[in-house]
Amino acid sequence: QKEVEQDPGPLSVPEGAIVSLNCTYSNSAFQYFMWYRQYSRKGPELLMYTYSSGNKEDGRFTAQVDKSSKYISLFIRDSQPSDSATYLCAMSGVRGETSGSRLTFGEGTQLTVNP
Amino acid sequence: ETGVTQTPRHLVMGMTNKKSLKCEQHLGHNAMYWYKQSAKKPLELMFVYNFKEQTENNSVPSRFSPECPNSSHLFLHLHTLQPEDSALYLCASSQDGTTENTEAFFGQGTRLTVV
Repeated sequence: QKEVEQDPGPLSVPEGAIVSLNCTYSNSAFQYFMWYRQYSRKGPELLMYTYSSGNKEDGRFTAQVDKSSKYISLFIRDSQPSDSATYLCAMSGVRGETSGSRLTFGEGTQLTVNP
Repeated sequence: ETGVTQTPRHLVMGMTNKKSLKCEQHLGHNAMYWYKQSAKKPLELMFVYNFKEQTENNSVPSRFSPECPNSSHLFLHLHTLQPEDSALYLCASSQDGTTENTEAFFGQGTRLTVV
C-alpha cells in the first residue's frame, strides 16, 4: 500500500467551477501537509502549507486536514484556466527528524480548467 | 526567481557518457535534496543532505553520485546511465529538520534523456 494515495485524474472542469482535490495517507506520524502546483515543464511550487488538523484559506484556495480520517483536501473556488496544472499533495513527519524535510508525495492530480 | 536554480534545464546523454547536474539555492537553507520525477509516478526522493552531510540515500544505484560541497550547492554526477533513468530531476531545499517549518522549495528541474 502506498503511504500517500492521490487520484491522478485527469480532472477537467469549466471555468468558475469549484474544484476539490484530495489525498489519503496511512502514516499517522505525518504532521505537516502541503499542496504543490506544478505547471508543465516546471518544478513544483508550494501553494499551501498546513500543520496538523484544520483549515487554511488563501484567496481562492482552501486546504483542509482531517487527521482522524487521514484525509486532506484542497478546494479551488472560481477556478480559472490559469489554474490548469498538476497538483501534488505532500506530507512530512514530526519536527526534529534528522533527515530534514523528508516529504512524501502523492502521484499528483492533473487539472484542466476550460474557458 | 524561485531561489533554487538548476542547470542545465535539458540534457541528452548517451549511456557511456559522464555528466553532472548542478543545483544552487539562495534561501539560506541547510537541507538539500534530489528527487526524481517520472511520468505517472510520485516524486521519488533520492538523496538528502543536511548541513552538507548526506543523511539519506534512498537505495539509489551507484551510477548516481551526489556531492554537496557546501549548504548552497548540490551536484548529481551521472555515469553509465540507462534509458529508464530518463526523467525530470528536481533539486529542493528546506530549513533543517530541527525547525518548525518543513516546506521544501524546488528548482525548475533538469529534463534528462538517456539515449
